[in-house]
Amino acid sequence: AQSVTQLDSQVPVFEEAPVELRCNYSSSVSVYLFWYVQYPNQGLQLLLKYLSGSTLVKGINGFEAEFNKSQTSFHLRKPSVHISDTAEYFCAVSGGGSYIPTFGRGTSLIVHP
Amino acid sequence: ETGVTQSPTHLIKTRGQQVTLRCSSQSGHNTVSWYQQALGQGPQFIFQYYREEENGRGNFPPRFSGLQFPNYSSELNVNALELDDSALYLCACQLAGQETQYFGPGTRLLVL
Repeated sequence: AQSVTQLDSQVPVFEEAPVELRCNYSSSVSVYLFWYVQYPNQGLQLLLKYLSGSTLVKGINGFEAEFNKSQTSFHLRKPSVHISDTAEYFCAVSGGGSYIPTFGRGTSLIVHP
Repeated sequence: ETGVTQSPTHLIKTRGQQVTLRCSSQSGHNTVSWYQQALGQGPQFIFQYYREEENGRGNFPPRFSGLQFPNYSSELNVNALELDDSALYLCACQLAGQETQYFGPGTRLLVL
């Protein structure tokens, strides 16, 4: 069985500051990893994904994430956030022959002016 | 823009009633999954449909059922609604054998 832990339920940060949203996963098989963003009253939008290859993955809106197999982590980073990045961020994992992802509980990123 | 649409956007029902939610994809994605997202939680997998048959199910009771049509659109039906069914219901479409899901905007269901 797979599971995802998002270590922070809420991350407040000032505009133009860097941010890291943490995600750890548990899986006994090789994994696919995803970050999704959800703006208020909307569905989920794919930010980026790791399938294989380079461990540093770049996504939309200036976000990137690094896959660390030894630490079973897939942390999301952005060097300089904007007010418009305020949203809920979800980490998800799939793999082992299943393409059905398991989601974490989400991290609320709050960007202050 | 994912090309996945859901209807209706909002819905209010009373306990014991039945509801049908709809999902369609413009991109020919032949696999559809449904998720329930309670307030403050991540999406929970309900079930998946491929080739008009259920292809996997999460920990949800049988009163949650679904359909997939030949054009790959899908319905989620919930019978005997309970207060705890109040949530955002998301559908996600993907091509069979591909790892990426594309989500619709969701239907927000309120059960009174």
